[in-house]
Amino acid sequence: VQLLESGGGLVQPGGSLRLSCTASGFSFSNYAMSWVRQAPGKGLEWVSGIVGSGDDTYYADSVKGRFTISRDNSNNTLFLQMDSLRADDTAIYYCAKGRSSVVTPNNYWGQGTLVTVSS
Amino acid sequence: DIQMTQSPSSLSASVGDRVTITCRASQGISNYLAWYQQKSGKVPKLLIYAASTLQSGVPSRFSGSGSGTDFTLTISSLQPEDVATYYCQKYNNAPLTFGGGTKVEIK
Repeated sequence: VQLLESGGGLVQPGGSLRLSCTASGFSFSNYAMSWVRQAPGKGLEWVSGIVGSGDDTYYADSVKGRFTISRDNSNNTLFLQMDSLRADDTAIYYCAKGRSSVVTPNNYWGQGTLVTVSS
Repeated sequence: DIQMTQSPSSLSASVGDRVTITCRASQGISNYLAWYQQKSGKVPKLLIYAASTLQSGVPSRFSGSGSGTDFTLTISSLQPEDVATYYCQKYNNAPLTFGGGTKVEIK
């Protein structure tokens, strides 16, 4: 199993970024996926999850209405569209694979991509 | 939303000690509780799911117990490689909230 995130970087407050996670080594459409973030020196925060089919999505209250999770099962890729970014969205964003097709604990994690929101 | 509270926030113990970390949910979550280990500078690693089921490859000195609102992670004999921060996570429904973490150090 390999998960490779991309798309992080420096963005101004109010701006947008789109994160991608390319998956390999497993049947991507059979597993739920999540985004989890970790602010510098802080704990883990679950951000969003999507079931294997893509039909159901879930969000933390802190990002609801600003972030959109999606997936392309044909290309084994997970996305996180982040709009109206704020300074407190600054964090490492991890892509993580669930243990089944519904949103469950994550048994594989990518190395993460750093998002910095600053003027 | 359900809140997850871990205690203690940090602990220091000797090699070979039995270590117990507690996680409390603000409402019942049955056994939908996972534990993760995160070593410094590394990605989190799933240790336990369904409150007490050991993830494949995890040493047997790790164990989990509990149901409803109160859960524990136990390391039966602390080893130097267990230095890490440990997180609980509930997953009965969204949001899949993490606890604040417990930092484990060697005395």
